[in-house]
Amino acid sequence: ETGVTQTPRHLVMGMTNKKSLKCEQHLGHNAMYWYKQSAKKPLELMFVYNFKEQTENNSVPSRFSPECPNSSHLFLHLHTLQPEDSALYLCASSQENSHSTDTQYFGPGTRLTVL
Amino acid sequence: AQSVTQLDSQVPVFEEAPVELRCNYSSSVSVYLFWYVQYPNQGLQLLLKYLSGSTLVKGINGFEAEFNKSQTSFHLRKPSVHISDTAEYFCAVSARPGNQFYFGTGTSLTVIP
Repeated sequence: ETGVTQTPRHLVMGMTNKKSLKCEQHLGHNAMYWYKQSAKKPLELMFVYNFKEQTENNSVPSRFSPECPNSSHLFLHLHTLQPEDSALYLCASSQENSHSTDTQYFGPGTRLTVL
Repeated sequence: AQSVTQLDSQVPVFEEAPVELRCNYSSSVSVYLFWYVQYPNQGLQLLLKYLSGSTLVKGINGFEAEFNKSQTSFHLRKPSVHISDTAEYFCAVSARPGNQFYFGTGTSLTVIP
């Protein structure tokens, strides 16, 4: 148990569906992240939020839309996805300041399958 | 920019034998280095990290890693593996400024009874 929870754990959706992934951290951290993990590829950082403000968007298609209403919750809204978007989506959190970087703590992930 | 190379995609090893998982990185600035483990159907769990100080870092589950700046390596070792160590292992690097982590492609460790 890392203190980061994700729901749902598994999701199957069609290309025309709209769904959302949820992440919640109970660690008091101020930064949260979405990663995509595909087979045989490095983890791909998608979005970073520091103090609820988005600071990174690594060329992610607009069919992925993040939302961070507070420092404990992070959502990833999905719409009109493609089969190649099928992957494990991991959420992470960390405590960041201007002088150091700290460990990222990961949730268990959501296994997404797009039909 | 930083990058991480994990030289072995799969490592089979017999139970109670030693193992080394290799990791090399490239960076033009000082880095922080991490090893994570991922068990089936789970997220990533921190094994150990190097931020500064002693170059030999000890982590959980009997793992250790040594930071070698001249060889830009951070290899992970365990003197005697157990069946329960079967998992995917990821090396990661982070550098200032910014808080992005760069992950390797992972090494699948399989412990054979």
